[in-house]
Amino acid sequence: GEDVEQSLFLSVREGDSSVINCTYTDSSSTYLYWYKQEPGAGLQLLTYIFSNMDMKQDQRLTVLLNKKDKHLSLRIADTQTGDSAIYFCAARPNSGNTPLVFGKGTRLSVIA
Amino acid sequence: DVKVTQSSRYLVKRTGEKVFLECVQDMDHENMFWYRQDPGLGLRLIYFSYDVKMKEKGDIPEGYSVSREKKERFSLILESASTNQTSMYLCASFPSGDMNTEAFFGQGTRLTVV
Repeated sequence: GEDVEQSLFLSVREGDSSVINCTYTDSSSTYLYWYKQEPGAGLQLLTYIFSNMDMKQDQRLTVLLNKKDKHLSLRIADTQTGDSAIYFCAARPNSGNTPLVFGKGTRLSVIA
Repeated sequence: DVKVTQSSRYLVKRTGEKVFLECVQDMDHENMFWYRQDPGLGLRLIYFSYDVKMKEKGDIPEGYSVSREKKERFSLILESASTNQTSMYLCASFPSGDMNTEAFFGQGTRLTVV
């Protein structure tokens, strides 16, 4: 089955760019997602990308997908203290009713 | 506008108790999921349901059961709670279909078994 891996911690200075990386194993994964979890809260969808896209930009967020290497990254420009959270990469093999498979989450700490 | 609601934010139960965690969604979604979240382990799928009265085991179903009697409600049951079931439990839902769909999450239930 699908396996999603991501580093557990990232620390950046306020105003710098953050890059969170993720790898997945199932090449049939059609949809790839980034979720954000703030302390004490559930998961909130940040952005997603279809497997036939290489890049998607949404304001300060840029998602890059290297389908050949099964590598996904999330770049946050001008990182703010409010961006401190856990970021989850998730893959959805095939389509339809398949459950999401999540990575372990990357805890982003933003230093003022 | 709350879309997925979990009945409790915090719960403390004794070992051996039968525990019910309730999740309700108001979006008429067919698919509902229960995950548990533990530090360093991410989200692990316990059970999911494609439709009313249908259920499928996830990656870690042992010690849990589920009930889906109505489309909007998906209950997670701990038959006999144990301390290793102390965790954050997250419910999610999304609709069927091939189009990209966002999974909506509840706010989570932090369960402590003592």
